[in-house]
Amino acid sequence: NAGVTQTPKFQVLKTGQSMTLQCAQDMNHNSMYWYRQDPGMGLRLIYYSASEGTTDKGEVPNGYNVSRLNKREFSLRLESAAPSQTSVYFCASSHGLAASYEQYFGPGTRLTVT
Amino acid sequence: DQQVKQNSPSLSVQEGRISILNCDYTNSMFDYFLWYKKYPAEGPTFLISISSIKDKNEDGRFTVFLNKSAKHLSLHIVPSQPGDSAVYFCAASALGNEKLTFGTGTRLTIIP
Repeated sequence: NAGVTQTPKFQVLKTGQSMTLQCAQDMNHNSMYWYRQDPGMGLRLIYYSASEGTTDKGEVPNGYNVSRLNKREFSLRLESAAPSQTSVYFCASSHGLAASYEQYFGPGTRLTVT
Repeated sequence: DQQVKQNSPSLSVQEGRISILNCDYTNSMFDYFLWYKKYPAEGPTFLISISSIKDKNEDGRFTVFLNKSAKHLSLHIVPSQPGDSAVYFCAASALGNEKLTFGTGTRLTIIP
């Protein structure tokens, strides 16, 4: 049981390049999330998906797009990377039931944009 | 506007003593609170939670206290162990909304 997996673990991009961060969960969770963590800022929600086929913006969605490919997979795309997007990105999932708010996190992707 | 605040960026505690991590919130709609622990180069892991209908929840060495009138919660770790050295985030949810709002974290260092 792998839980939440993310690829790649590390990535360096030049300004203007694009890339997709991949996330998959094997816990049959309905909801999935993308966060970024910056020093002194905590975890900020970029996008989330309450179910397959639905996505909604979080606190900091500008410069990102997402795809909920199926129940297991939720990808985050940077179309034209900027140095301000240098961060650690975490994917998370949760049951999606009102009785359980606990989110399970992946190991993170450390992205540097030069 | 930071709705969940952890005003202490860092805390050092001797091994065996009590560690107390604090969290304040401003949104009165928050009704469920969680604590996460994060080691370097890993994702956060869930530690303990509390609903607004309670004022205390205990799990082994970890206890979370909620003071709704003060909009304040705290995490107590007793006794503190070297493996507790990590960054701790508090998070809050409002009225059945699955989205969590996180604080900025407190780095706890346990001194052997």
